[in-house]
Amino acid sequence: QVQLQQSGPGLVKPSQTLSLTCAISGDSVSSSTSAWNWIRQSPSGGLEWLGRTYYRSTWYSDYAVSVKGRITINPDTSKNHFSLQLNSVTPEDTAVYYCARGGHFDYWGQGTLVTVSS
Amino acid sequence: DIVLTQSPLSLSVTPGEPASISCRSSQSLLHSNGYYHLDWYLQKPGQPPQLLIYLGSNRASGVPDRFTGSVSGTDFTLKISRVEAEDVGVYYCVQLLQTPLTFGGGTKVEIK
Repeated sequence: QVQLQQSGPGLVKPSQTLSLTCAISGDSVSSSTSAWNWIRQSPSGGLEWLGRTYYRSTWYSDYAVSVKGRITINPDTSKNHFSLQLNSVTPEDTAVYYCARGGHFDYWGQGTLVTVSS
Repeated sequence: DIVLTQSPLSLSVTPGEPASISCRSSQSLLHSNGYYHLDWYLQKPGQPPQLLIYLGSNRASGVPDRFTGSVSGTDFTLKISRVEAEDVGVYYCVQLLQTPLTFGGGTKVEIK
């Protein structure tokens, strides 16, 4: 059974960096058939895909245009997890952040409410 | 970006009655592999979304057979044959054909 366990702070100051980690059990971050995604849900309820990382003989990452230039998603094969870093955050980045396994988002982390506030 | 337009915004259904949710795509989601790359999810209150239907019409593991997904061109439909109390929540479609992956705006289903 695949499980995704998220960790990271729930409060980040404006202009600082949001950092979250998603620990994987029951699968491998280096799997050649899975992709590892970050998705967020705004306070109004809309879901937004942020990006993903995946391994297909080499590592790839795709990012949403809305956060490109501010976002990095990195795999860590030694710890079997992947991370999200979002730089220069503003209050508009306040959301519940989820990690999820893809192609199809069949397994999700528990969600982390991140509030951007001074 | 591919835009997904869901309708209706909300639905109030009597238990045992059918329900239907539409998701219209701004472009074809038909992959060269012959599959439509659109999935359906249900988000129950306080939980992350859960996969119901993948590739347009395939039920995910453990999903009751009262849930059915269908496709006609760029129009996708999720049907619940007989709504039960546990089906309340917000339903989302998502396209996985090309990045950025995009979600529909959601349809809230409640029980009368």
